[in-house]
Amino acid sequence: NAGVTQTPKFRILKIGQSMTLQCAQDMNHNYMYWYRQDPGMGLKLIYYSVGAGITDKGEVPNGYNVSRSTTEDFPLRLELAAPSQTSVYFCASIAEGSTEAFFGQGTRLTVV
Amino acid sequence: EDQVTQSPEALRLQEGESSSLNCSYTVSGLRGLFWYRQDPGKGPEFLFTLYSAGEEKEKERLKATLTKKESFLHITAPKPEDSATYLCAVQAFTGGFKTIFGAGTRLFVKA
Repeated sequence: NAGVTQTPKFRILKIGQSMTLQCAQDMNHNYMYWYRQDPGMGLKLIYYSVGAGITDKGEVPNGYNVSRSTTEDFPLRLELAAPSQTSVYFCASIAEGSTEAFFGQGTRLTVV
Repeated sequence: EDQVTQSPEALRLQEGESSSLNCSYTVSGLRGLFWYRQDPGKGPEFLFTLYSAGEEKEKERLKATLTKKESFLHITAPKPEDSATYLCAVQAFTGGFKTIFGAGTRLFVKA
């Protein structure tokens, strides 16, 4: 039972480079979320989705893009990486009618 | 604007020394308040959902309570394995399905 899988686990990017953080869940959950967590801080919501084809902005969406073409996958795109995007990124999913979020193990991103 | 404030930032306890963590929230119509546990290098793990003032939930040595302005996570006779960061989060009826997190309380339990 995989749950929520994030790849890669670690990545170093140069300023201006682009990358996609992958998130996949195998629980058929409708709701999916992307958060970032800076050292000693809580989680800040970047984007979320309530189902395939539907996405919406969270608290800190600038510099990121998402898509949700299937129920299972919710990739996060960084187009022009900046040092301020150095953080740990978590993906989460929640089933319809539930409040329990399942989180992935995180992607630690460093922009230099 | 929905806000969540947790205190203290860090708490150091001796094994067996009971205490409480606080979560103060401001939200326009609470859909739910959540507690999560996060171990270093891992994603948060769900503990509880509370929906209305007066509600309580328990799990092993943890008990969560809710009032109209705050929630408490009571830890009874903690053990070293309870050491972790505890995160509080809220969802509002008017915020779609956005979940807003506090900064967390880092708990250290010494044997």
